Amino acid sequence: ETGVTQSPTHLIKTRGQQVTLRCSSQSGHNTVSWYQQALGQGPQFIFQYYREEENGRGNFPPRFSGLQFPNYSSELNVNALELDDSALYLCASSLDVGELFFGEGSRLTVL
Amino acid sequence: AQSVTQPDIHITVSEGASLELRCNYSYGATPYLFWYVQSPGQGLQLLLKYFSGDTLVQGIKGFEAEFKRSQSSFNLRKPSVHWSDAAEYFCAVGAGTSGTYKYIFGTGTRLKVLA
Repeated sequence: ETGVTQSPTHLIKTRGQQVTLRCSSQSGHNTVSWYQQALGQGPQFIFQYYREEENGRGNFPPRFSGLQFPNYSSELNVNALELDDSALYLCASSLDVGELFFGEGSRLTVL
Repeated sequence: AQSVTQPDIHITVSEGASLELRCNYSYGATPYLFWYVQSPGQGLQLLLKYFSGDTLVQGIKGFEAEFKRSQSSFNLRKPSVHWSDAAEYFCAVGAGTSGTYKYIFGTGTRLKVLA
């Protein structure tokens, strides 16, 4: 079985730009969640998708949005990037509510 | 509001010594509880989880954790630490209902192992 894969692994953007991060879920998983991990911090829950519907959201503004596709892959979109958005973005997939399987993350730097 | 507290930011132990990492949570019911480990530049790997049943759970790499409802704690233990255990450890709570669900992570404990 394939694990969770994320792309790109690293990227650099400037303030005000938009970014799209992608995640392929582990085979058989129907739930995907996204996390922001700033340097030296724990992962902060952004949102979760279950069967293409958002079913949980953390304290992030609406410029953080997402999609889950019929094949359960997912995107995280961030508009109007700010310097504080610089972080490691982690995607995790699971079967319903259970153990999370994490990808290795996309490291975003905003200049 | 739900929260997870890991009171120790850094812990240093000698190789072969025992280890205990503390985790306290705040939640109105019994949540799902997890411990994850993260090596530098890597994603998170599950060490163990508690959903229900026996309050002492065994995980990978010789780790175990004990759920204590009265103390709202889920401390991670290992009887003999290996140098390869040096990493960052995160306690997490899964909470909510089928309609809305989320995972809350603690701020992590960075483990250093002395040879």
